[in-house]
Amino acid sequence: DQQVKQNSPSLSVQEGRISILNCDYTNSMFDYFLWYKKYPAEGPTFLISISSIKDKNEDGRFTVFLNKSAKHLSLHIVPSQPGDSAVYFCAAIPLNAGNNRKLIWGLGTSLAVNP
Amino acid sequence: ETGVTQTPRHLVMGMTNKKSLKCEQHLGHNAMYWYKQSAKKPLELMFVYNFKEQTENNSVPSRFSPECPNSSHLFLHLHTLQPEDSALYLCASSHGGGSNYGYTFGSGTRLTVV
Repeated sequence: DQQVKQNSPSLSVQEGRISILNCDYTNSMFDYFLWYKKYPAEGPTFLISISSIKDKNEDGRFTVFLNKSAKHLSLHIVPSQPGDSAVYFCAAIPLNAGNNRKLIWGLGTSLAVNP
Repeated sequence: ETGVTQTPRHLVMGMTNKKSLKCEQHLGHNAMYWYKQSAKKPLELMFVYNFKEQTENNSVPSRFSPECPNSSHLFLHLHTLQPEDSALYLCASSHGGGSNYGYTFGSGTRLTVV
């Protein structure tokens, strides 16, 4: 059973508009949540993270919101640009992960930003 | 340049072949990982090395054999693979401490077993 779920395999957005990527989790024992971005033929690159004790973290055009009661987080990209077209992975770090930094991954959502 | 370099980028091998994947990082990270990415599956953690010591083996078949000679290099030795082992194999590294638990990934090796 997947502990981190990205229920939308794909999303299409017009350039300049907001992209909202969603992620749900089933385990309350996560310490950090992270978003990674992956272009074809490349490895994932770290985008933004949020601690479980916060409800929002912002970095330029990217904002991550965490709703602990709903076990839900979302990544907002405003304004969306064609270069944002990629697969976005949600990942979570369990409490007491220690030095292993074992991440629990979602399946990813493919974002297409149309010019 | 991501800081984590994987070679080769693409590999096609027969089921009786022996090959090795290589990963190198010079970021000063103390932990290195092998992940497998198959279509329609989440990223699967295979092995974790912390300061050259293997700290996790996620029930990976013995036809995959990791080696970590030092903190900067990680290998994945492959032998008698099956077609279902075809996937993207990603190496990653991370550094302990701090609030950013992010990994740095390599570009991956696209493996096809024929």
